[in-house]
Amino acid sequence: DTGVSQDPRHKITKRGQNVTFRCDPISEHNRLYWYRQTLGQGPEFLTYFQNEAQLEKSRLLSDRFSAERPKGSFSTLEIQRTEQGDSAMYLCASSPGGASGRVFRTDTQYFGPGTRLTVL
Amino acid sequence: AQKITQTQPGMFVQEKEAVTLDCTYDTSDQSYGLFWYKQPSSGEMIFLIYQGSYDEQNATEGRYSLNFQKARKSANLVISASQLGDSAMFFCAMRERKVTFGTGTKLQVIP
Repeated sequence: DTGVSQDPRHKITKRGQNVTFRCDPISEHNRLYWYRQTLGQGPEFLTYFQNEAQLEKSRLLSDRFSAERPKGSFSTLEIQRTEQGDSAMYLCASSPGGASGRVFRTDTQYFGPGTRLTVL
Repeated sequence: AQKITQTQPGMFVQEKEAVTLDCTYDTSDQSYGLFWYKQPSSGEMIFLIYQGSYDEQNATEGRYSLNFQKARKSANLVISASQLGDSAMFFCAMRERKVTFGTGTKLQVIP
């Protein structure tokens, strides 16, 4: 069983350009999460999917950000009109998911290696 | 108010000694989960240990144990017999409806 993979691992772009990142979760994991992490901080939640449904979005996810998970498998995170403040590590995680209501060990998230974005 | 508080930005520990990394949390939910992750300099977040709010026993995973004190809302990570490879950032996280991470503690193991 392979872990979570992310592509690309590094992306350098110029301000104003659009970028798209891909995340492939652990197979059969129902839930997929996107986080952003800046230097010296913990990951900040951006959004998460239960299968193909996007169930929650952080207010950090401005209208320049969009995420999809077609068919409930891989996910993409797109940033339009990038700004220098978007420079960060973008982390993807997946979890098996559990029953709603209570939190279980199946909510444990397994992270990918991240995509480091640098906006010049 | 901070959901997750890690008050130790940095810690040093001698190799083979035990170390405790502090974490306090704030929630009004009855059902929540607490997690610890390790992030080496390579950047990948590695899951270490999980504690559910309804679990009566403290979680243990190898050299890692979680000192869960529900009334005090603390979930400290104890690493026994530290190894040089334990040098990394350690993050405490809590899942209620969503997951919140603390700011992390940088652990350095001294030979």
